[in-house]
Amino acid sequence: IQLTQSPSSLSASVGERVTITCRASQGISTYLAWYQQKPGKAPKLLIYGASTLQNGVPSRFSGSGSGTDFTLTISSLQPEDFATYYCQQLESYAFGPGTKVDI
Amino acid sequence: QVQLVESGGGVVQPGRSLRLSCAASGFKFSTYAMHWVRQAPGKGLEWLSAISYDGSRKYYADSMKGRFTVYRDNSNDTLYLQFNSLRAADTAVYYCAKDPLGTVAGFAEYWGQGTLVTVSS
Repeated sequence: IQLTQSPSSLSASVGERVTITCRASQGISTYLAWYQQKPGKAPKLLIYGASTLQNGVPSRFSGSGSGTDFTLTISSLQPEDFATYYCQQLESYAFGPGTKVDI
Repeated sequence: QVQLVESGGGVVQPGRSLRLSCAASGFKFSTYAMHWVRQAPGKGLEWLSAISYDGSRKYYADSMKGRFTVYRDNSNDTLYLQFNSLRAADTAVYYCAKDPLGTVAGFAEYWGQGTLVTVSS
Protein backbone atom coordinates (compact mmCIF):
# COMPACT_ATOMS: atom_id res chain seq x y z
CA ILE A 1 0.00 0.00 0.00
CA GLN A 2 1.52 3.27 -1.15
CA LEU A 3 0.86 6.65 0.37
CA THR A 4 1.05 10.02 -1.34
CA GLN A 5 0.95 13.35 0.43
CA SER A 6 0.02 16.73 -0.93
CA PRO A 7 1.37 19.25 -1.05
CA SER A 8 4.99 18.19 -0.68
CA SER A 9 5.67 21.55 0.89
CA LEU A 10 3.77 24.67 1.77
CA SER A 11 4.43 28.10 3.13
CA ALA A 12 2.06 29.54 5.68
CA SER A 13 1.81 32.26 8.27
CA VAL A 14 1.16 32.09 11.98
CA GLY A 15 -2.56 31.91 12.58
CA GLU A 16 -3.38 30.36 9.23
CA ARG A 17 -5.40 27.18 8.81
CA VAL A 18 -3.35 24.45 7.18
CA THR A 19 -4.57 21.23 5.60
CA ILE A 20 -2.38 18.34 4.48
CA THR A 21 -3.75 15.44 2.47
CA CYS A 22 -2.66 11.81 2.52
CA ARG A 23 -3.96 9.35 -0.04
CA ALA A 24 -3.60 5.57 0.10
CA SER A 25 -3.35 3.38 -2.99
CA GLN A 26 -6.05 1.13 -1.57
CA GLY A 27 -8.54 1.33 1.24
CA ILE A 28 -7.13 1.19 4.75
CA SER A 29 -10.24 1.99 6.78
CA THR A 30 -8.98 4.33 9.50
CA TYR A 31 -5.61 2.63 9.94
CA LEU A 32 -3.61 5.81 9.61
CA ALA A 33 -1.34 7.85 11.86
CA TRP A 34 0.20 11.30 11.57
CA TYR A 35 3.58 12.45 12.90
CA GLN A 36 5.40 15.74 13.21
CA GLN A 37 9.16 15.94 12.84
CA LYS A 38 11.41 18.92 13.45
CA PRO A 39 14.96 19.11 12.08
CA GLY A 40 17.38 16.93 13.97
CA LYS A 41 14.66 15.47 16.18
CA ALA A 42 12.76 12.21 16.36
CA PRO A 43 9.22 12.15 15.00
CA LYS A 44 6.34 12.82 17.37
CA LEU A 45 3.01 11.01 17.16
CA LEU A 46 0.11 13.41 16.65
CA ILE A 47 -2.87 11.31 15.60
CA TYR A 48 -3.71 7.63 15.25
CA GLY A 49 -6.79 5.83 14.03
CA ALA A 50 -7.08 8.67 11.49
CA SER A 51 -8.69 11.03 13.99
CA THR A 52 -7.70 10.22 17.58
CA LEU A 53 -5.46 12.85 19.11
CA GLN A 54 -2.47 11.50 21.00
CA ASN A 55 -2.31 12.57 24.66
CA GLY A 56 -0.71 15.96 25.08
CA VAL A 57 -1.12 17.06 21.45
CA PRO A 58 -2.77 20.48 21.16
CA SER A 59 -6.38 20.50 20.04
CA ARG A 60 -5.56 22.72 17.04
CA PHE A 61 -4.43 19.49 15.37
CA SER A 62 -7.15 17.28 13.95
CA GLY A 63 -7.37 14.37 11.58
CA SER A 64 -10.14 13.00 9.43
CA GLY A 65 -10.85 10.54 6.67
CA SER A 66 -11.27 6.86 6.01
CA GLY A 67 -10.70 4.47 3.16
CA THR A 68 -8.17 6.13 0.87
CA ASP A 69 -8.36 9.86 1.64
CA PHE A 70 -7.19 11.49 4.85
CA THR A 71 -6.44 14.98 6.05
CA LEU A 72 -4.43 16.56 8.82
CA THR A 73 -5.60 20.04 9.76
CA ILE A 74 -3.91 22.63 11.90
CA SER A 75 -6.62 25.12 12.75
CA SER A 76 -4.36 28.03 13.65
CA LEU A 77 -0.70 27.56 12.84
CA GLN A 78 1.69 28.35 15.69
CA PRO A 79 5.43 29.10 15.47
CA GLU A 80 6.27 25.68 16.94
CA ASP A 81 4.25 23.91 14.21
CA PHE A 82 6.75 24.61 11.45
CA ALA A 83 7.98 21.10 10.73
CA THR A 84 7.60 18.16 8.39
CA TYR A 85 4.49 16.02 8.69
CA TYR A 86 4.25 12.35 7.76
CA CYS A 87 1.32 10.00 7.46
CA GLN A 88 1.74 6.28 8.07
CA GLN A 89 -0.60 3.49 7.06
CA LEU A 90 -1.05 0.77 9.64
CA GLU A 91 -1.61 -2.17 7.27
CA SER A 92 1.98 -2.62 6.16
CA TYR A 93 3.33 0.33 8.18
CA ALA A 94 4.84 2.39 5.36
CA PHE A 95 5.15 6.16 5.68
CA GLY A 96 4.11 8.81 3.23
CA PRO A 97 6.81 11.04 1.69
CA GLY A 98 6.16 13.96 4.01
CA THR A 99 4.91 17.53 3.81
CA LYS A 100 7.19 20.35 4.89
CA VAL A 101 5.46 23.33 6.45
CA ASP A 102 7.53 26.47 6.60
CA ILE A 103 7.12 30.18 6.92
CA GLN B 1 9.04 8.29 31.79
CA VAL B 2 9.58 6.25 28.65
CA GLN B 3 13.16 6.31 27.44
CA LEU B 4 14.59 4.61 24.37
CA VAL B 5 18.31 4.89 23.75
CA GLU B 6 19.80 3.55 20.55
CA SER B 7 23.43 2.60 20.21
CA GLY B 8 25.77 0.75 17.88
CA GLY B 9 25.89 3.22 15.03
CA GLY B 10 29.04 4.49 13.41
CA VAL B 11 31.04 4.19 10.22
CA VAL B 12 31.06 0.73 8.68
CA GLN B 13 32.48 -0.55 5.42
CA PRO B 14 30.21 -1.80 2.64
CA GLY B 15 29.48 -5.50 2.88
CA ARG B 16 30.06 -5.66 6.62
CA SER B 17 27.56 -6.52 9.34
CA LEU B 18 26.35 -4.38 12.21
CA ARG B 19 24.08 -4.71 15.21
CA LEU B 20 22.10 -1.85 16.64
CA SER B 21 20.72 -1.88 20.17
CA CYS B 22 17.88 0.00 21.80
CA ALA B 23 17.82 0.12 25.60
CA ALA B 24 14.33 0.71 27.00
CA SER B 25 13.31 2.07 30.37
CA GLY B 26 10.34 3.68 32.07
CA PHE B 27 7.83 1.06 30.96
CA LYS B 28 7.34 -2.68 31.06
CA PHE B 29 9.33 -3.53 27.94
CA SER B 30 8.27 -7.17 27.81
CA THR B 31 4.61 -6.26 27.22
CA TYR B 32 4.97 -3.97 24.20
CA ALA B 33 5.75 -4.41 20.54
CA MET B 34 8.63 -2.40 19.14
CA HIS B 35 9.67 -0.91 15.81
CA TRP B 36 12.72 0.15 13.85
CA VAL B 37 12.46 3.11 11.49
CA ARG B 38 15.24 4.81 9.55
CA GLN B 39 15.79 8.13 7.84
CA ALA B 40 18.46 8.68 5.22
CA PRO B 41 20.08 12.14 5.23
CA GLY B 42 17.61 14.70 3.93
CA LYS B 43 15.01 12.03 3.20
CA GLY B 44 11.74 10.81 4.68
CA LEU B 45 10.95 8.12 7.22
CA GLU B 46 11.22 4.48 6.23
CA TRP B 47 9.62 1.79 8.37
CA LEU B 48 11.90 -1.24 8.62
CA SER B 49 10.67 -3.79 11.09
CA ALA B 50 8.43 -4.58 14.02
CA ILE B 51 8.45 -7.30 16.68
CA SER B 52 5.71 -8.40 19.02
CA TYR B 53 6.05 -8.22 22.79
CA ASP B 54 7.40 -11.77 23.11
CA GLY B 55 9.39 -11.87 19.89
CA SER B 56 7.14 -14.52 18.36
CA ARG B 57 5.99 -12.31 15.48
CA LYS B 58 8.32 -10.31 13.32
CA TYR B 59 7.48 -8.03 10.43
CA TYR B 60 9.80 -6.56 7.83
CA ALA B 61 9.58 -4.08 5.00
CA ASP B 62 9.82 -6.01 1.73
CA SER B 63 13.01 -4.20 0.82
CA MET B 64 14.68 -5.38 4.03
CA LYS B 65 13.77 -9.04 4.06
CA GLY B 66 16.77 -11.30 4.18
CA ARG B 67 19.31 -8.65 5.18
CA PHE B 68 17.94 -7.40 8.48
CA THR B 69 16.89 -9.36 11.55
CA VAL B 70 15.01 -7.92 14.49
CA TYR B 71 15.03 -9.55 17.90
CA ARG B 72 14.67 -8.63 21.53
CA ASP B 73 15.93 -9.60 24.96
CA ASN B 74 13.12 -9.03 27.43
CA SER B 75 15.30 -9.99 30.38
CA ASN B 76 17.52 -6.97 29.60
CA ASP B 77 14.86 -4.62 28.16
CA THR B 78 16.74 -4.35 24.89
CA LEU B 79 15.73 -4.39 21.24
CA TYR B 80 18.17 -5.27 18.47
CA LEU B 81 18.50 -4.89 14.71
CA GLN B 82 21.10 -7.03 12.99
CA PHE B 83 22.23 -5.95 9.52
CA ASN B 84 24.10 -7.99 6.99
CA SER B 85 25.76 -6.94 3.73
CA LEU B 86 25.52 -3.22 4.39
CA ARG B 87 25.33 -0.87 1.42
CA ALA B 88 25.83 2.85 0.98
CA ALA B 89 22.06 3.18 0.69
CA ASP B 90 21.75 1.96 4.30
CA THR B 91 23.35 5.18 5.52
CA ALA B 92 20.72 6.70 7.79
CA VAL B 93 19.65 7.58 11.29
CA TYR B 94 18.04 4.52 12.81
CA TYR B 95 15.27 4.97 15.35
CA CYS B 96 13.67 2.49 17.67
CA ALA B 97 10.11 3.17 18.73
CA LYS B 98 7.51 1.79 21.09
CA ASP B 99 4.16 0.47 19.88
CA PRO B 100 1.12 1.08 22.12
CA LEU B 101 0.21 -2.61 22.07
CA GLY B 102 1.83 -5.97 22.75
CA THR B 103 0.86 -7.17 19.33
CA VAL B 104 1.72 -4.71 16.58
CA ALA B 105 -0.74 -1.80 16.29
CA GLY B 106 1.66 -0.32 13.77
CA PHE B 107 2.17 3.21 15.00
CA ALA B 108 4.89 4.47 17.29
CA GLU B 109 3.95 6.44 20.38
CA TYR B 110 7.48 6.95 21.71
CA TRP B 111 10.75 7.27 19.84
CA GLY B 112 14.41 7.21 20.68
CA GLN B 113 16.75 9.93 19.46
CA GLY B 114 18.31 7.70 16.86
CA THR B 115 21.75 6.41 16.02
CA LEU B 116 23.58 7.29 12.81
CA VAL B 117 24.94 4.54 10.60
CA THR B 118 27.30 5.60 7.83
CA VAL B 119 28.28 2.99 5.28
CA SER B 120 31.45 4.06 3.59
CA SER B 121 34.80 2.67 2.60
